[in-house]
This record gives sequence, structure tokens and C-alpha cells, in this order.
Amino acid sequence: GENVEQHPSTLSVQEGDSAVIKCTYSDSASNYFPWYKQELGKGPQLIIDIRSNVGEKKDQRIAVTLNKTAKHFSLHITETQPEDSAVYFCAARTSGAGSYQLTFGKGTKLSVIP
Amino acid sequence: GAVVSQHPSWVICKSGTSVKIECRSLDFQATTMFWYRQFPKQSLMLMATSNEGSKATYEQGVEKDKFLINHASLTLSTLTVTSAHPEDSSFYICSATEALHGELFFGEGSRLTVL
Repeated sequence: GENVEQHPSTLSVQEGDSAVIKCTYSDSASNYFPWYKQELGKGPQLIIDIRSNVGEKKDQRIAVTLNKTAKHFSLHITETQPEDSAVYFCAARTSGAGSYQLTFGKGTKLSVIP
Repeated sequence: GAVVSQHPSWVICKSGTSVKIECRSLDFQATTMFWYRQFPKQSLMLMATSNEGSKATYEQGVEKDKFLINHASLTLSTLTVTSAHPEDSSFYICSATEALHGELFFGEGSRLTVL
């Protein structure tokens, strides 16, 4: 089955700097890659996603890049703010036969220092 | 984005009692819902996949008689923790797939504490 590795496990950046979180996946058939932000005591919130027919997607300060050949994808947050502090999870999914199950990375705890 | 509502957000119960957690998709129909368990500082652990109108599919190591899942309608799935014990204390989260685009949305989670 699919295996998703996520790095780093913790990341501290100064407010205003950029943050990058990287994930690799094992199943070349995976074609959907969402990113979730989880604040303490809350459920994960979908912040951005990318499908395998696209190499990059951007939404304001957040961008995701996908390299299908290398089987890795990354989350980029620019001009970080304290409210960006949270745990971020990447995930991968192989769609087909009605399957919507995601495989998650272990998470990255991002701390933005004011 | 789509909204998934989970209730209750927290519950405290005595050992031996059963607790029911509800997961509702508020503005879309979800043929598939998922239940996860999350331990502190860890990732999400998939417990089971819930399909409307059929029996849930449990992950290896998850006791189906312990964690009863019912998906009676396209907008509601329930997880019942039966005869709860302190080791069942955890953060339980549901998610639902929006069928049109395949995006997965999570509920706010339910914190279960068993005394």
C-alpha cells in the first residue's frame, strides 16, 4: 500500500519568513495530494490540495508543488504569521474503484516566532 | 469548503458505559465517511471506513464489537464506543468525502475521557 513520509517533524521560523514542508510517497498511482492544518484540540482543516495533472498550485500565501517523477510534494508558506502555528499533515490518495482513503504523513509541528 | 459537524466535542463517562459520537455532513451527501483516532502528538490513525447502507470496513487491530459504526443515511455516521475503558480515552475524528470532487473534510473531533 501507499506510504507517505513527511519532514521535518518540527519546524520553527521567525514571523515573516517562509516555511517549507516536504513529503514523499511510494505509490506511483497516487493522484491526489491534500494538505491539512490542525490546531490544538481541533479537527484537521483542508488548506490546499493538488492533483497529479498539475505541477504547482497557489492560494495567497500558500503553495504546493508536485514532482511526480521523484514522487514528492511540498507545502510552501510565505510571510508566515503566528496564526500559522499548527500541525500540518500531508496526504496521498490513489483514486479508483470508489476508494477515497487517504494515507497521511506523521505531521509537522510549525511554530512561528513573533 | 464543505462542513462536517461532529458531536459531542467532548465527553466524560464512567468506565463500562457506552458513548455515541455523531458525524454529519451539513451541505453535501457523503457516501463514504471515515473514523480516526488520534493520540497526543501523533498522526491520524484510521479506524474504519463507513459506507452508507452497508457494514463498515475496519482496519486491522480495531475491534468491530468495541467500536460500532452505523452509516444509516448519506449525511450521518455514528461511532459508538461500547463498554468504554480508560484506554479508550482519545481524540476521535470523523471525515467525509465530497463525492463530486473527492475532497475530504474533517469534523472538529470528539475528546473522550473515560474515568
